[in-house]
Amino acid sequence: QKEVEQNSGPLSVPEGAIASLNCTYSDRGSQSFFWYRQYSGKSPELIMFIYSNGDKEDGRFTAQLNKASQYVSLLIRDSQPSDSATYLCAVTSASKIIFGSGTRLSIRP
Amino acid sequence: EAQVTQNPRYLITVTGKKLTVTCSQNMNHEYMSWYRQDPGLGLRQIYYSMNVEVTDKGDVPEGYKVSRKEKRNFPLILESPSPNQTSLYFCATSFASGGTDTQYFGPGTRLTVL
Repeated sequence: QKEVEQNSGPLSVPEGAIASLNCTYSDRGSQSFFWYRQYSGKSPELIMFIYSNGDKEDGRFTAQLNKASQYVSLLIRDSQPSDSATYLCAVTSASKIIFGSGTRLSIRP
Repeated sequence: EAQVTQNPRYLITVTGKKLTVTCSQNMNHEYMSWYRQDPGLGLRQIYYSMNVEVTDKGDVPEGYKVSRKEKRNFPLILESPSPNQTSLYFCATSFASGGTDTQYFGPGTRLTVL
């Protein structure tokens, strides 16, 4: 079992809709959770981080964390074509940070 | 401007020819690391450094070397590159010495080994 799992996609969402990206992790002791966005050929950039159970909102983005179920999700409201990218989930585990392999999101006009 | 720089950005080389990819940061971050990214495999950590003169292996260290003689620089060395090291490489830095907070990535180095 991979330590951090994401559906590779592609996930296709119509413009203006909500995109929902999911990530599960195996280490119950994980404390910090991150979402990065990566455009093709570019470096990852941080979108959000979350440490506590529940929701955290930042503009059109909402991160959701459920430690009991060991999943973290990212919701993107009012999806725009510029949101088309690969989204990487990252989780801390035993003093390391581990990345998932990413979900490719495509926003169709 | 806070940044992480890598050089070169693109490199085509041949098997066995030693090469070095440089990484430099101006944010005074303690933690620096190297990742490689391959299709379907995501980001895999090669080596990391929690401080000057302190380095440790990540998940895929074979065939690579690093050094951390100064806080700002963390070069990646391939002593004898092989075709399976063809990949996209990222240097990343983090304020916390444990590297468990936000990672700031360099622009990437695309390496092809023939």
